[in-house]
Amino acid sequence: GAVVSQHPSWVICKSGTSVKIECRSLDFQATTMFWYRQFPKQSLMLMATSNEGSKATYEQGVEKDKFLINHASLTLSTLTVTSAHPEDSSFYICSASSAGVAKNIQYFGAGTRLSVL
Amino acid sequence: AQSVTQPDIHITVSEGASLELRCNYSYGATPYLFWYVQSPGQGLQLLLKYFSGDTLVQGIKGFEAEFKRSQSSFNLRKPSVHWSDAAEYFCAVGPPGGTASKLTFGTGTRLQVTL
Repeated sequence: GAVVSQHPSWVICKSGTSVKIECRSLDFQATTMFWYRQFPKQSLMLMATSNEGSKATYEQGVEKDKFLINHASLTLSTLTVTSAHPEDSSFYICSASSAGVAKNIQYFGAGTRLSVL
Repeated sequence: AQSVTQPDIHITVSEGASLELRCNYSYGATPYLFWYVQSPGQGLQLLLKYFSGDTLVQGIKGFEAEFKRSQSSFNLRKPSVHWSDAAEYFCAVGPPGGTASKLTFGTGTRLQVTL
């Protein structure tokens, strides 16, 4: 149980285009989802926290208009990188948690590697 | 502010040898503590967690960790390492109680296993 699917696993895009990354909880309802960014050989940095039906809460220094997060249902959250530039290239990971069973645990997706040319 | 320190960036052990990965944290109260493992290009898998109670916790894949309040540590151990354990290991802390809240991660320890 507690499977989180992230799609796509790898995306290459041209500078100036937008990219959408999906994060789905497959077998539980995710009341809260988190989006992280990981630079090579570094730790995970939290970008934002989103609760279903509410606006995401962004961490300091994360551009809200750049990284659009939508959590429209209890099983799906999306991260859209708008007008992507090479400096946005990174590994993006989502996680999901449930207010029910195992409420204090985050379950992670496999990540999306974004390469902006 | 909370912080997590994993002092060893890279550790190499022989297959079959024992392993201990160190984790120290700074937090106002006793946080929730986690160890995650990340294989190359993959997301994170939860190995084990500590919320309260018995300070020695057992996890998956034969891992265990011991919470030591006096040392603000939560070291991960495994008696006999397998080649498949080669990966990046992250210690994380989160606020106690309530639903899952944002985690603070250490910088990770990369484990290499030699045959």
